[in-house]
Amino acid sequence: DTEVTQTPKHLVMGMTNKKSLKCEQHMGHRAMYWYKQKAKKPPELMFVYSYEKLSINESVPSRFSPECPNSSLLNLHLHALQPEDSALYLCASSPGLAGGTLIGELFFGEGSRLTVL
Amino acid sequence: GEDVEQSLFLSVREGDSSVINCTYTDSSSTYLYWYKQEPGAGLQLLTYIFSNMDMKQDQRLTVLLNKKDKHLSLRIADTQTGDSAIYFCAEKGGSYIPTFGRGTSLIVHP
Repeated sequence: DTEVTQTPKHLVMGMTNKKSLKCEQHMGHRAMYWYKQKAKKPPELMFVYSYEKLSINESVPSRFSPECPNSSLLNLHLHALQPEDSALYLCASSPGLAGGTLIGELFFGEGSRLTVL
Repeated sequence: GEDVEQSLFLSVREGDSSVINCTYTDSSSTYLYWYKQEPGAGLQLLTYIFSNMDMKQDQRLTVLLNKKDKHLSLRIADTQTGDSAIYFCAEKGGSYIPTFGRGTSLIVHP
């Protein structure tokens, strides 16, 4: 199984809603990532978890709250989002992070397309 | 900081070869990657090359690395309509995480 699975594939929410994006991998990877991608742009790193601990937060607004319940799961909790937060949210995983270095390839999920009204 | 540059568009005829180019600035790059993204989908890792290599071939894909000029290319032989996608170059070196280029949209026409 070399897949990273993301749900839901599409999400439409209002600015006052609370919703969550979910990501799962069963490759035994110990590092998991959230990226945000706007149309025609490269992915932008948001968060990195290494061994279930938050390693990197790229100055992401607090209306985005990541959670890593175990080594296979990664959630992104959304609250009070703005229309400009509409984007494709990509989850990725890699075998690990050690000494500040990414070990192995970065595998991406298909993404969750978020629209904020 | 690190920077990765790619041309934004490439148009080729079906059956021809495509060459997508990328330049980077991080002289400590150790891994260089090519990802493919089809419309509405995630990023698929196509291939990667270590910085101590100058060429890697995998079926229709050939990656060339000129470390002196910090230039990476991806050649797709016998390009098919199914190859139409956005291709992202990425490098990892001194930074924690891969740095992505802006992506090259490859359009394959009959």
